[in-house]
Amino acid sequence: KAGVTQTPRYLIKTRGQQVTLSCSPISGHRSVSWYQQTPGQGLQFLFEYFSETQRNKGNFPGRFSGRQFSNSRSEMNVSTLELGDSALYLCASSSGGNSYEQYFGPGTRLTVT
Amino acid sequence: AQKITQTQPGMFVQEKEAVTLDCTYDTSDPSYGLFWYKQPSSGEMIFLIYQGSYDQQNATEGRYSLNFQKARKSANLVISASQLGDSAMYFCAMREVFAGGTSYGKLTFGQGTILTVHP
Repeated sequence: KAGVTQTPRYLIKTRGQQVTLSCSPISGHRSVSWYQQTPGQGLQFLFEYFSETQRNKGNFPGRFSGRQFSNSRSEMNVSTLELGDSALYLCASSSGGNSYEQYFGPGTRLTVT
Repeated sequence: AQKITQTQPGMFVQEKEAVTLDCTYDTSDPSYGLFWYKQPSSGEMIFLIYQGSYDQQNATEGRYSLNFQKARKSANLVISASQLGDSAMYFCAMREVFAGGTSYGKLTFGQGTILTVHP
């Protein structure tokens, strides 16, 4: 069974630009969660999508948004990038139901200059 | 609100010895799940072990075991027979579990413990 995939793996953007990150969950998993990891703030929950609907959201500004497609693939968008958005962005997939299993992708390392 | 505390920023262990990584938590949720993840320098989060709050026995997965003490709100990870490949950052995390066992995907993480295994 293929694992969680994230593209691109590395990204360099300039302040003010926008970026879209992609996450493909494990086959059969309907939930995708996104996390931001920085040295200062650690791992913080951004949002979760289940069956194309956002069902949980962290405490991030509206510049951070996401969506999920019918095949459960998810995208995360950050508009008007700031230097502080430089981070490792991780997505995790799970069945979304009673199973506790939650598996992470390799992450996308975003650098904002 | 949920909170995870990992008080050991760094730990050192000799190869083949056992090591315990500490984790305490705070939550008002009646039902929850506790996780440990390993993050090597590559960045990927690797699932190690899970403990449900109503599980009667401590979870074990190979060389990993979770010392769950509900009254003390602690969920320490024990790694037996440490290997050089165990050197990594380790995160404790928790998630609310709703009635019927359903969980949302939101995990609350601790700050992590860097484990270094010496040969």
